[in-house]
Amino acid sequence: EAEVAQSPRYKITEKSQAVAFWCDPISGHATLYWYRQILGQGPELLVQFQDESVVDDSQLPKDRFSAERLKGVDSTLKIQPAELGDSAMYLCASRRGDPAETQYFGPGTRLLVL
Amino acid sequence: AQSVAQPEDQVNVAEGNPLTVKCTYSVSGNPYLFWYVQYPNRGLQFLLKYITGDNLVKGSYGFEAEFNKSQTSFHLKKPSALVSDSALYFCAVRGPYGNNRLAFGKGNQVVVIP
Repeated sequence: EAEVAQSPRYKITEKSQAVAFWCDPISGHATLYWYRQILGQGPELLVQFQDESVVDDSQLPKDRFSAERLKGVDSTLKIQPAELGDSAMYLCASRRGDPAETQYFGPGTRLLVL
Repeated sequence: AQSVAQPEDQVNVAEGNPLTVKCTYSVSGNPYLFWYVQYPNRGLQFLLKYITGDNLVKGSYGFEAEFNKSQTSFHLKKPSALVSDSALYFCAVRGPYGNNRLAFGKGNQVVVIP
Protein backbone atom coordinates (compact mmCIF):
# COMPACT_ATOMS: atom_id res chain seq x y z
CA GLU A 1 0.00 0.00 0.00
CA ALA A 2 1.45 3.35 -1.04
CA GLU A 3 2.17 5.85 1.72
CA VAL A 4 3.19 9.45 2.13
CA ALA A 5 6.85 9.62 3.15
CA GLN A 6 8.33 12.30 5.40
CA SER A 7 11.79 12.96 6.79
CA PRO A 8 13.21 13.47 9.26
CA ARG A 9 10.84 11.95 11.83
CA TYR A 10 12.31 14.03 14.64
CA LYS A 11 14.29 17.27 14.62
CA ILE A 12 15.80 19.21 17.49
CA THR A 13 17.20 22.65 16.74
CA GLU A 14 18.09 25.87 18.48
CA LYS A 15 16.14 29.03 17.95
CA SER A 16 17.34 31.20 15.07
CA GLN A 17 18.58 28.15 13.17
CA ALA A 18 17.15 26.99 9.85
CA VAL A 19 15.26 23.70 9.49
CA ALA A 20 13.85 21.87 6.50
CA PHE A 21 11.34 19.06 6.17
CA TRP A 22 10.82 16.82 3.16
CA CYS A 23 7.69 15.08 1.88
CA ASP A 24 7.12 12.58 -0.91
CA PRO A 25 3.38 12.15 -1.65
CA ILE A 26 1.64 9.05 -2.93
CA SER A 27 2.35 8.59 -6.62
CA GLY A 28 -0.25 10.26 -8.81
CA HIS A 29 -1.53 12.58 -6.10
CA ALA A 30 -1.63 16.07 -7.56
CA THR A 31 -2.63 17.84 -4.36
CA LEU A 32 -0.14 18.16 -1.50
CA TYR A 33 -0.63 19.79 1.90
CA TRP A 34 1.57 20.86 4.78
CA TYR A 35 -0.05 21.09 8.20
CA ARG A 36 1.14 22.13 11.63
CA GLN A 37 -0.29 20.36 14.65
CA ILE A 38 0.18 21.70 18.15
CA LEU A 39 0.07 18.99 20.82
CA GLY A 40 -3.53 18.11 21.69
CA GLN A 41 -5.04 20.10 18.82
CA GLY A 42 -6.24 19.42 15.28
CA PRO A 43 -4.02 20.00 12.25
CA GLU A 44 -3.91 23.52 10.82
CA LEU A 45 -3.23 24.01 7.14
CA LEU A 46 -0.05 25.91 6.29
CA VAL A 47 0.08 25.51 2.50
CA GLN A 48 -1.66 23.60 -0.29
CA PHE A 49 -0.15 22.76 -3.67
CA GLN A 50 -1.88 21.69 -6.85
CA ASP A 51 0.91 20.12 -8.87
CA GLU A 52 3.73 22.66 -8.56
CA SER A 53 1.49 25.67 -7.89
CA VAL A 54 0.55 27.10 -4.50
CA VAL A 55 -3.24 27.37 -4.26
CA ASP A 56 -3.56 28.32 -0.58
CA ASP A 57 -0.84 29.75 1.65
CA SER A 58 -3.02 32.17 3.58
CA GLN A 59 -2.01 30.63 6.94
CA LEU A 60 1.71 30.35 6.19
CA PRO A 61 3.89 32.79 8.21
CA LYS A 62 5.72 33.99 5.15
CA ASP A 63 8.31 36.00 7.03
CA ARG A 64 9.94 32.78 8.20
CA PHE A 65 8.26 29.86 6.44
CA SER A 66 8.65 28.84 2.81
CA ALA A 67 7.47 25.84 0.81
CA GLU A 68 8.20 24.56 -2.64
CA ARG A 69 7.20 21.71 -4.93
CA LEU A 70 9.36 22.45 -7.91
CA LYS A 71 8.57 19.45 -10.12
CA GLY A 72 5.10 18.83 -8.80
CA VAL A 73 6.12 15.70 -6.94
CA ASP A 74 8.03 15.94 -3.64
CA SER A 75 8.01 19.05 -1.49
CA THR A 76 10.15 20.89 1.06
CA LEU A 77 8.98 23.09 3.93
CA LYS A 78 11.57 25.42 5.44
CA ILE A 79 11.65 27.52 8.58
CA GLN A 80 14.25 30.27 8.91
CA PRO A 81 14.83 31.36 11.60
CA ALA A 82 13.12 28.88 13.91
CA GLU A 83 11.39 30.23 17.01
CA LEU A 84 10.41 28.50 20.24
CA GLY A 85 6.75 28.65 19.25
CA ASP A 86 7.43 26.59 16.13
CA SER A 87 7.76 23.43 18.22
CA ALA A 88 5.03 21.18 16.84
CA MET A 89 4.30 18.19 14.60
CA TYR A 90 4.54 19.02 10.89
CA LEU A 91 2.34 16.79 8.77
CA CYS A 92 2.33 16.28 5.04
CA ALA A 93 -0.73 14.91 3.24
CA SER A 94 -1.72 14.21 -0.34
CA ARG A 95 -4.79 13.31 -2.38
CA ARG A 96 -5.92 13.00 -5.97
CA GLY A 97 -7.48 16.08 -7.54
CA ASP A 98 -11.17 15.44 -6.79
CA PRO A 99 -12.33 16.98 -3.45
CA ALA A 100 -14.21 13.75 -2.71
CA GLU A 101 -10.97 11.80 -2.66
CA THR A 102 -9.39 10.81 0.64
CA GLN A 103 -6.49 12.84 1.99
CA TYR A 104 -3.68 10.58 3.25
CA PHE A 105 -1.16 11.68 5.84
CA GLY A 106 2.49 10.92 6.34
CA PRO A 107 3.97 9.99 9.73
CA GLY A 108 4.95 13.59 10.48
CA THR A 109 8.08 15.39 11.66
CA ARG A 110 8.21 16.27 15.35
CA LEU A 111 10.13 19.56 15.74
CA LEU A 112 11.54 20.78 19.03
CA VAL A 113 13.07 24.25 19.12
CA LEU A 114 15.30 24.96 22.13
CA ALA B 1 -16.12 28.69 5.77
CA GLN B 2 -16.48 25.09 6.86
CA SER B 3 -16.06 24.05 10.49
CA VAL B 4 -16.35 21.04 12.77
CA ALA B 5 -17.32 20.77 16.42
CA GLN B 6 -16.29 17.84 18.58
CA PRO B 7 -17.93 18.77 21.89
CA GLU B 8 -16.22 16.32 24.22
CA ASP B 9 -12.53 16.52 25.10
CA GLN B 10 -12.31 12.93 26.29
CA VAL B 11 -14.49 9.86 25.95
CA ASN B 12 -14.04 7.07 28.49
CA VAL B 13 -15.54 3.67 27.78
CA ALA B 14 -15.12 0.21 29.23
CA GLU B 15 -13.68 -2.48 26.99
CA GLY B 16 -16.46 -4.34 25.21
CA ASN B 17 -18.95 -1.48 25.52
CA PRO B 18 -20.21 0.58 22.58
CA LEU B 19 -18.10 3.60 21.66
CA THR B 20 -19.51 6.85 20.25
CA VAL B 21 -17.53 9.95 19.31
CA LYS B 22 -19.65 12.96 18.39
CA CYS B 23 -19.16 15.38 15.51
CA THR B 24 -21.26 18.20 14.08
CA TYR B 25 -20.32 20.26 11.06
CA SER B 26 -21.04 23.41 9.11
CA VAL B 27 -20.37 23.77 5.36
CA SER B 28 -21.80 25.33 2.22
CA GLY B 29 -23.25 22.72 -0.09
CA ASN B 30 -23.20 18.99 0.35
CA PRO B 31 -20.51 17.92 2.81
CA TYR B 32 -17.63 15.54 2.35
CA LEU B 33 -17.04 14.10 5.83
CA PHE B 34 -14.06 12.17 7.16
CA TRP B 35 -12.88 10.48 10.35
CA TYR B 36 -9.21 10.00 11.18
CA VAL B 37 -7.43 8.40 14.13
CA GLN B 38 -4.04 9.39 15.51
CA TYR B 39 -1.77 7.41 17.79
CA PRO B 40 1.02 9.13 19.79
CA ASN B 41 3.76 10.62 17.62
CA ARG B 42 2.14 9.33 14.44
CA GLY B 43 0.35 10.86 11.49
CA LEU B 44 -3.41 10.72 11.00
CA GLN B 45 -4.81 7.42 9.73
CA PHE B 46 -7.96 7.44 7.59
CA LEU B 47 -10.92 5.52 9.05
CA LEU B 48 -13.91 6.28 6.83
CA LYS B 49 -15.69 8.92 4.80
CA TYR B 50 -19.13 9.98 3.64
CA ILE B 51 -19.49 11.47 0.19
CA THR B 52 -22.95 10.45 -0.96
CA GLY B 53 -25.38 7.54 -0.77
CA ASP B 54 -26.17 5.39 2.26
CA ASN B 55 -26.13 7.41 5.47
CA LEU B 56 -24.41 4.58 7.37
CA VAL B 57 -20.78 4.29 6.37
CA LYS B 58 -18.55 1.39 7.37
CA GLY B 59 -14.81 1.79 7.70
CA SER B 60 -11.61 0.28 9.03
CA TYR B 61 -11.18 -1.66 12.29
CA GLY B 62 -14.93 -2.15 12.82
CA PHE B 63 -15.78 1.54 12.93
CA GLU B 64 -18.86 3.05 11.32
CA ALA B 65 -20.41 6.50 11.17
CA GLU B 66 -23.90 7.79 10.52
CA PHE B 67 -24.52 10.89 8.45
CA ASN B 68 -27.53 12.91 9.60
CA LYS B 69 -28.21 15.86 7.32
CA SER B 70 -30.99 17.40 9.41
CA GLN B 71 -28.80 17.44 12.52
CA THR B 72 -25.60 18.17 10.57
CA SER B 73 -23.91 15.37 12.44
CA PHE B 74 -21.51 12.57 11.59
CA HIS B 75 -20.99 10.55 14.78
CA LEU B 76 -18.38 7.78 14.85
CA LYS B 77 -19.39 4.46 16.42
CA LYS B 78 -18.01 1.06 17.26
CA PRO B 79 -20.21 -1.69 18.74
CA SER B 80 -17.53 -3.13 21.04
CA ALA B 81 -14.49 -1.07 22.04
CA LEU B 82 -11.00 -2.53 22.37
CA VAL B 83 -8.16 -1.23 24.54
CA SER B 84 -6.21 -0.71 21.30
CA ASP B 85 -8.86 1.82 20.19
CA SER B 86 -7.47 4.27 22.74
CA ALA B 87 -6.28 7.17 20.59
CA LEU B 88 -7.09 10.68 19.38
CA TYR B 89 -9.98 10.88 16.89
CA PHE B 90 -10.54 13.73 14.44
CA CYS B 91 -13.62 14.57 12.42
CA ALA B 92 -13.12 16.69 9.28
CA VAL B 93 -15.33 18.31 6.64
CA ARG B 94 -14.76 19.73 3.19
CA GLY B 95 -17.18 21.44 0.82
CA PRO B 96 -17.63 20.12 -2.74
CA TYR B 97 -16.28 23.15 -4.55
CA GLY B 98 -12.83 23.98 -5.82
CA ASN B 99 -9.94 23.94 -3.39
CA ASN B 100 -11.97 24.13 -0.17
CA ARG B 101 -9.67 23.14 2.64
CA LEU B 102 -10.37 20.19 4.94
CA ALA B 103 -11.46 21.64 8.28
CA PHE B 104 -10.62 19.54 11.35
CA GLY B 105 -12.22 19.44 14.76
CA LYS B 106 -10.08 19.77 17.87
CA GLY B 107 -10.10 16.02 18.38
CA ASN B 108 -11.45 13.65 20.99
CA GLN B 109 -9.22 11.55 23.19
CA VAL B 110 -10.76 8.09 23.56
CA VAL B 111 -9.72 6.04 26.56
CA VAL B 112 -10.83 2.40 26.63
CA ILE B 113 -10.62 1.00 30.14
CA PRO B 114 -9.73 -2.70 30.46
